[in-house]
Amino acid sequence: SAVISQKPSRDICQRGTSLTIQCQVDSQVTMMFWYRQQPGQSLTLIATANQGSEATYESGFVIDKFPISRPNLTFSTLTVSNMSPEDSSIYLCSVDGSGGSYEQYFGPGTRLTVT
Amino acid sequence: SQQGEEDPQALSIQEGENATMNCSYKTSINNLQWYRQNSGRGLVHLILIRSNEREKHSGRLRVTLDTSKKSSSLLITASRAADTASYFCATDRGGADGLTFGKGTHLIIQP
Repeated sequence: SAVISQKPSRDICQRGTSLTIQCQVDSQVTMMFWYRQQPGQSLTLIATANQGSEATYESGFVIDKFPISRPNLTFSTLTVSNMSPEDSSIYLCSVDGSGGSYEQYFGPGTRLTVT
Repeated sequence: SQQGEEDPQALSIQEGENATMNCSYKTSINNLQWYRQNSGRGLVHLILIRSNEREKHSGRLRVTLDTSKKSSSLLITASRAADTASYFCATDRGGADGLTFGKGTHLIIQP
């Protein structure tokens, strides 16, 4: 199983600013995923990040708001831009299991509060 | 968008009892998985059942899948206080896709 870390673990930000969340994996992976979990809600997929190509965004999420970088096979960043209180959520990254397994391993999440 | 609907949304039982959670989904799937989340932290994978399987066991967990009804159930036997968590079902479409999560069941085990 992959070990995933995220930075920061939590942050409180002012509206109108941007925050970049880092996701580091202890092994090389092809696909990385970013999810949002709004307070008391389930997880929603934001985008899929494949190294060497543009991220693929789900309906309702756009690159201008959530730009993603994937510079190598162990690292990705998600930026939450021009934040508003509605962006207050937990943001989680995940990776696929090895050997074609469809189970995913999740990072501990970044708890973002926008004031 | 959310595909799965879990019920119940919240479940409180006594330690030692069995807990059953249900999940329904809307589209065709490749696999269905169950995850546990403790106190808003990262998710832990519990069990995966493929679309051509009907039942699967792992320790105290039993998962069933009925593709004709587009539903699944997770049974936790002999519950423990440490099982207190939120449980989510998640489906994938195969390939390099992310997961679509259900709304989740918040399980509380009373000691």
